[in-house]
Amino acid sequence: NAGVTQTPKFQVLKTGQSMTLQCAQDMNHEYMSWYRQDPGMGLRLIHYSVGAGITDQGEVPNGYNVSRSTTEDFPLRLLSAAPSQTSVYFCASSWTGGDGYTFGSGTRLTVV
Amino acid sequence: GNSVTQMEGPVTLSEEAFLTINCTYTATGYPSLFWYVQYPGEGLQLLLKATKADDKGSNKGFEATYRKETTSFHLEKGSVQVSDSAVYFCALKWGSQGNLIFGKGTKLSVKP
Repeated sequence: NAGVTQTPKFQVLKTGQSMTLQCAQDMNHEYMSWYRQDPGMGLRLIHYSVGAGITDQGEVPNGYNVSRSTTEDFPLRLLSAAPSQTSVYFCASSWTGGDGYTFGSGTRLTVV
Repeated sequence: GNSVTQMEGPVTLSEEAFLTINCTYTATGYPSLFWYVQYPGEGLQLLLKATKADDKGSNKGFEATYRKETTSFHLEKGSVQVSDSAVYFCALKWGSQGNLIFGKGTKLSVKP
């Protein structure tokens, strides 16, 4: 049972480049979310999904895009990377609204 | 809106000392409350949770009680160990989407 798997673990991008952060879970969870973690800011919600084909924006969605074509996968796309997107990104999944989330190990992204 | 406020760190304790990390929340209705722990270089792990008033969550010697009258969910441990050194996040979940709202985190360092 792998849980939540994020790839890559580390990435360096140049300003203006695009890329996709991958997230996959094997627990058949309905809920999936993307957070970014910045020093002194805690974790902030970027986008989330309550099931395949359903996504919505969180607190800081600008510059990011998501889709949910399957229950297992929830990729996060950076459309045109900016230095302000330098952060650690976490994907998380959960069964229902009342349960705690399972987090991936994170992707550390640096935009230069 | 909904929010979580937790005590700022860092907190430095000697081994076997008593730990309290304060957490208060603002929310409409009755959210679920969580404590997550993040060890260096890792993702977040659910430490404990409480889903209704007066519930006590506990795990690995840590405890927290859901206090509706004071809107608080303070984390306590009677005797900390060096291995408890980590960042601790208080979080709430409210609404049908079940998204987590995090505090900014408290870094705990335990010295031998």
